[in-house]
Amino acid sequence: SSEVTQDPAVSVAVGQTVRITCQGDSLRSYYATWYQQKPGQPPVLVMYGNNNRPSGIPDRFSGSSSGNTATLTITGAQAEDEADYYCNSRDSSDNGLGLFGGGTKLTVL
Amino acid sequence: EVQLVQSRAEVKKPGESLKISCKASGYSFFSYWIGWVRQTPGKGLEWMGIVYPGDSDTKYSPSFQGQVTISADKSINTAYLQWSTLKSSDSAMYYCARRTGWYIDHWGQGTLVTVSS
Repeated sequence: SSEVTQDPAVSVAVGQTVRITCQGDSLRSYYATWYQQKPGQPPVLVMYGNNNRPSGIPDRFSGSSSGNTATLTITGAQAEDEADYYCNSRDSSDNGLGLFGGGTKLTVL
Repeated sequence: EVQLVQSRAEVKKPGESLKISCKASGYSFFSYWIGWVRQTPGKGLEWMGIVYPGDSDTKYSPSFQGQVTISADKSINTAYLQWSTLKSSDSAMYYCARRTGWYIDHWGQGTLVTVSS
């Protein structure tokens, strides 16, 4: 099916590791991209090409993929990581657009 | 530095028309796809469509085809999203976004559109 799904919410204690997952058939063929969005702000790119961090993104963020699941891992979560996280994947259509997951709200306790 | 600066928030009535804009700077505007993403509390983020300013090639998501028009004016480095007849269901935050490869690397600050009688 042409959609990607995410868990609606995940929580983590400060300093612990959290994994945010994204599932979909398109992820068997295409890389996932991840965006972080804080309240009242536009999304920010945090991971692309499965495991590439843009300049300025802390190295506690990492990405991986296996089968139909892509994972964004935050190792040593900080309070400032509390946000919504969206995955995005290219789809099989030729319109050049992609599929967004529904987002995961990360709460840092 | 790449910047995408969007036009201000709008309040409109159902049936009215609207055109919002996104002015790009800091890169070669005609060399990258630029598009629009809708965000609503119920449906999250949705690609609406994209335009390649170099040749005005435009692609739409099936959900938005025929509902909106996306365009770009490369002489002033500006992309547009327009509606001819607004509906209350068009109320949302709209982001312009630059696409590189197959992902978005820069986002505008967002334009809130409210459609209410």
